[in-house]
Amino acid sequence: DAKTTQPNSMESNEEEPVHLPCNHSTISGTDYIHWYRQLPSQGPEYVIHGLTSNVNNRMASLAIAEDRKSSTLILHRATLRDAAVYYCILPNAGGTSYGKLTFGQGTILTVHP
Amino acid sequence: DAMVIQNPRYQVTQFGKPVTLSCSQTLNHNVMYWYQQKSSQAPKLLFHYYDKDFNNEADTPDNFQSRRPNTSFCFLDIRSPGLGDTAMYLCATSRILTGAGELFFGEGSRLTVL
Repeated sequence: DAKTTQPNSMESNEEEPVHLPCNHSTISGTDYIHWYRQLPSQGPEYVIHGLTSNVNNRMASLAIAEDRKSSTLILHRATLRDAAVYYCILPNAGGTSYGKLTFGQGTILTVHP
Repeated sequence: DAMVIQNPRYQVTQFGKPVTLSCSQTLNHNVMYWYQQKSSQAPKLLFHYYDKDFNNEADTPDNFQSRRPNTSFCFLDIRSPGLGDTAMYLCATSRILTGAGELFFGEGSRLTVL
């Protein structure tokens, strides 16, 4: 299964943009790139996903490198409510685990007022 | 409105006393998952159902069982909880089982084994 590498933690100030990086150098051509986040004491929450092209939604933007070996989740204006653990995940590529999400350790985002 | 509902939100049980956690969904999704999340760790997949087909992860202990009596409900049974089973248990659903599918999570059931 393709693995992801994320920084353990990042910090940001409120109202500033945040760029959360993710490396996935062993990604295959059919692997989607998913991002979830988990606020304290809550279940994970879907943020965004993409395959090749950059993606935007009301929560964030996903910038995917041309070779797809890395991606960046962009929060355009961080708020205190964005403080969470952010997980970059590639759904399992095959076998009985096909399509399932295996969570790594993620990036702890701290937002300062 | 909550789409994936887990009950109870908090459960305290004694060592060895069976416990059942429930999950219901209003999304009519085909796939339901159970994850275990211990303190300061990432969620770990225990098993999933695709419709009525059950798929156990290779390292899920036999102590953990699951039932899905219909599309809307799924249960996690822990037959003889140990202290190490203290964790948050997360239920999730998805419409399809491919890399393109989005998962919807419940708020979790926090289990404490004394």
